[in-house]
Amino acid sequence: NAGVTQTPKFQVLKTGQSMTLQCAQDMNHEYMSWYRQDPGMGLRLIHYSVGAGITDQGEVPNGYNVSRSTTEDFPLRLLSAAPSQTSVYFCASSYPRGADYGYTFGSGTRLTVV
Amino acid sequence: LAKTTQPISMDSYEGQEVNITCSHNNIATNDYITWYQQFPSQGPRFIIQGYKTKVTNEVASLFIPADRKSSTLSLPRVSLSDTAVYYCLAFMEYGNKLVFGAGTILRVKS
Repeated sequence: NAGVTQTPKFQVLKTGQSMTLQCAQDMNHEYMSWYRQDPGMGLRLIHYSVGAGITDQGEVPNGYNVSRSTTEDFPLRLLSAAPSQTSVYFCASSYPRGADYGYTFGSGTRLTVV
Repeated sequence: LAKTTQPISMDSYEGQEVNITCSHNNIATNDYITWYQQFPSQGPRFIIQGYKTKVTNEVASLFIPADRKSSTLSLPRVSLSDTAVYYCLAFMEYGNKLVFGAGTILRVKS
């Protein structure tokens, strides 16, 4: 089924470890974004991309890196995990004219940093 | 992007129509209004979007008056499964990011 696939679904890291959260979409969407959602709160934008080779920072980019080498993939890298990065991470994608169909979100990655 | 303001929570009963109003006083000329629904442990799901007047799909209706300073999401005959958080957002027609607020927690009771 077409959509946004996030892996892994769950992950536990130790403080200081690094890891990459994977996001892939098969809808040929140009726009992709990463959000984090803390308990009882709304989503906060981490990084976004308007196409392959182009990325930009969102509201809370510190501690995270992204790259967009292909249209399909938009991985999020945690450089040195901290307990404050414990959260649920969502990836989303859209056509450039978001007004047409809206954004499609993945099912999330639940990350715990101990 | 325009800042949106919506109620923190609302309660309703099964079978009722629910209207959630969102305020966006400083909406820009090229901003659209979009609504998303989020269930616990899931990513948000697109419900509906519009620019002005009324838009209807199989799930909801969206009313945006001529001044576009507010909008109302209307959910007809809600059921228990409509219990979720609903987000109102402003975004540009060729927007490249969505900025979420706190959303409205809708609780539907039997």
